[in-house]
Amino acid sequence: AQSVAQPEDQVNVAEGNPLTVKCTYSVSGNPYLFWYVQYPNRGLQFLLKYITGDNLVKGSYGFEAEFNKSQTSFHLKKPSALVSDSALYFCAVRDGGGSTLGRLYFGRGTQLTVWP
Amino acid sequence: NAGVTQTPKFQVLKTGQSMTLQCAQDMNHEYMSWYRQDPGMGLRLIHYSVGAGITDQGEVPNGYNVSRSTTEDFPLRLLSAAPSQTSVYFCASSYSITGSGAGELFFGEGSRLTVL
Repeated sequence: AQSVAQPEDQVNVAEGNPLTVKCTYSVSGNPYLFWYVQYPNRGLQFLLKYITGDNLVKGSYGFEAEFNKSQTSFHLKKPSALVSDSALYFCAVRDGGGSTLGRLYFGRGTQLTVWP
Repeated sequence: NAGVTQTPKFQVLKTGQSMTLQCAQDMNHEYMSWYRQDPGMGLRLIHYSVGAGITDQGEVPNGYNVSRSTTEDFPLRLLSAAPSQTSVYFCASSYSITGSGAGELFFGEGSRLTVL
């Protein structure tokens, strides 16, 4: 079965500091991993994805994520946080085969708060 | 382009009533899906479709029906509303079912449903 865990419900950082939002996954076969962001009262927006290749993936708004196969993790990072980064972040993994081709499984979300 | 459009944005129902949440996309996407978002639960897949005339169940399909008569539209029907269906519903689409593009979803703005 495919699953995603986001161990922190909330992450608080000061503006200008680096931020990390954690994600671990369980999937049969090669994982396709994604990060999405949700601002208040809005739909989710795609940030970045890992399919294959370099373990460090760069995405929108200066975010990046590091794929670690041995630790089954895909943590979201940003070198210098902005107040405008405050939002709800979701990690997701794709089910890659069989009759459920294309299904996406989401974590429970991590609320990121960046204070001035 | 309008992207993914959901209507209505807000709806209040009484227990036992039926209704349809509408979803339309103008990006010629083959893959469309419905999620519900509940606090602390993340997003859970209700139903999805990989093309006109093809639908399948997700994680939480009970109490919901879908159909896909055209590529553009993917309505979600609540047959007999229950308080447990109080939630925010998101429609999402993707240009790819397989390969590296699958999982990169475009979301609507959401429909907030309250069942009394």
